[in-house]
Amino acid sequence: LAKTTQPISMDSYEGQEVNITCSHNNIATNDYITWYQQFPSQGPRFIIQGYKTKVTNEVASLFIPADRKSSTLSLPRVSLSDTAVYYCLSRKGGSYIPTFGRGTSLIVHP
Amino acid sequence: KAGVTQTPRYLIKTRGQQVTLSCSPISGHRSVSWYQQTPGQGLQFLFEYFSETQRNKGNFPGRFSGRQFSNSRSEMNVSTLELGDSALYLCASSPGLAGNQETQYFGPGTRLLVL
Repeated sequence: LAKTTQPISMDSYEGQEVNITCSHNNIATNDYITWYQQFPSQGPRFIIQGYKTKVTNEVASLFIPADRKSSTLSLPRVSLSDTAVYYCLSRKGGSYIPTFGRGTSLIVHP
Repeated sequence: KAGVTQTPRYLIKTRGQQVTLSCSPISGHRSVSWYQQTPGQGLQFLFEYFSETQRNKGNFPGRFSGRQFSNSRSEMNVSTLELGDSALYLCASSPGLAGNQETQYFGPGTRLLVL
């Protein structure tokens, strides 16, 4: 059964680089991969989106291999305020339904 | 530009009752999607409305329904509430014209507790 999977939790320290990988082995051919950040009692907030190779913006980078069956969100030099849950979003082949991963709870320690 | 707003923010209902949640999208956005978020199932897609028509639907029972008005505001309704319907209900809006490459902007959600 095709799933969108990501690690449940990760720990890091301020100033380190954090990489979170999402597996989406049945992604639709034309679908983009999007990552969101969610703080308690708030809705998810857009971080970055890509289709293939590498995308970079002011807060993160997204690496997508050629087979597009996974993607890696990279947060450079995390701070305490990056403590949140991170979700990847894609769509399965043959379906429009947006499918979120179960989320990765990132805790950044001083 | 104002963000996505949802009302009410918190709601307590009892089993068997029905509930209506409201969402106002970002000005100019014509697509509104609804999601249910629970600790057990995570974020699950309910349905999407575009120009007053349901464009896509997730795998939820018919007790979950929605509609969209001409000003793009949307409501979702849950009838015959069950304990398992307790969740955070999130609304997201997007322009609705560029398919799956559009960014969805989420509201703060409505926290529903069914007793």
